[in-house]
Amino acid sequence: RKEVEQDPGPFNVPEGATVAFNCTYSNSASQSFFWYRQDCRKEPKLLMSVYSSGNEDGRFTAQLNRASQYISLLIRDSKLSDSATYLCVVNSHAGNMLTFGGGTRLMVKP
Amino acid sequence: IAGITQAPTSQILAAGRRMTLRCTQDMRHNAMYWYRQDLGLGLRLIHYSNTAGTTGKGEVPDGYSVSRANTDDFPLTLASAVPSQTSVYFCASRAPGQSYGYTFGSGTRLTVV
Repeated sequence: RKEVEQDPGPFNVPEGATVAFNCTYSNSASQSFFWYRQDCRKEPKLLMSVYSSGNEDGRFTAQLNRASQYISLLIRDSKLSDSATYLCVVNSHAGNMLTFGGGTRLMVKP
Repeated sequence: IAGITQAPTSQILAAGRRMTLRCTQDMRHNAMYWYRQDLGLGLRLIHYSNTAGTTGKGEVPDGYSVSRANTDDFPLTLASAVPSQTSVYFCASRAPGQSYGYTFGSGTRLTVV
């Protein structure tokens, strides 16, 4: 079983739609969680950290469920510019190392 | 320099040649990492360094070596390139503390022919 698992998609949604991605992780001792965004042929960039109480940044909401060991990302009012691959990232090792999920591809259509 | 700089941006390399990918950061981060990214396989850790003078092996270290002589630089060397090393290589660094994610360089696209 992979340490961090995501549905690869693609998720094809119309502009203005709400879309949600889930990610599961296997190490119950994991302590920090992130969502990254990666555009085609570019480096991954930090979208948001995920806090235990859940957090929101504009149209993006991230939630953590420690009991079920999953993280979610909700995007409201999708824009064409949201089209990208979204990577779930977990600090599942001692020290500074992060583990990346395989990514979920989102395509927002006009 | 702001953040992490990787060089070259892209390279076509003959099999059997030696190549060093450069990575420099100006954020004084102690931890640095090298990943390769291949279609369908995601990001895979090659080598890492938690602080200057120390390095460690990641998931796919074979055929690669690294050094960390100082805080800012973390070069990745392919001693004798093979076609299976064709990939996009990303260097990353991380500030200390659990709440920080990685900062990535813009990547090196390497083709071994």
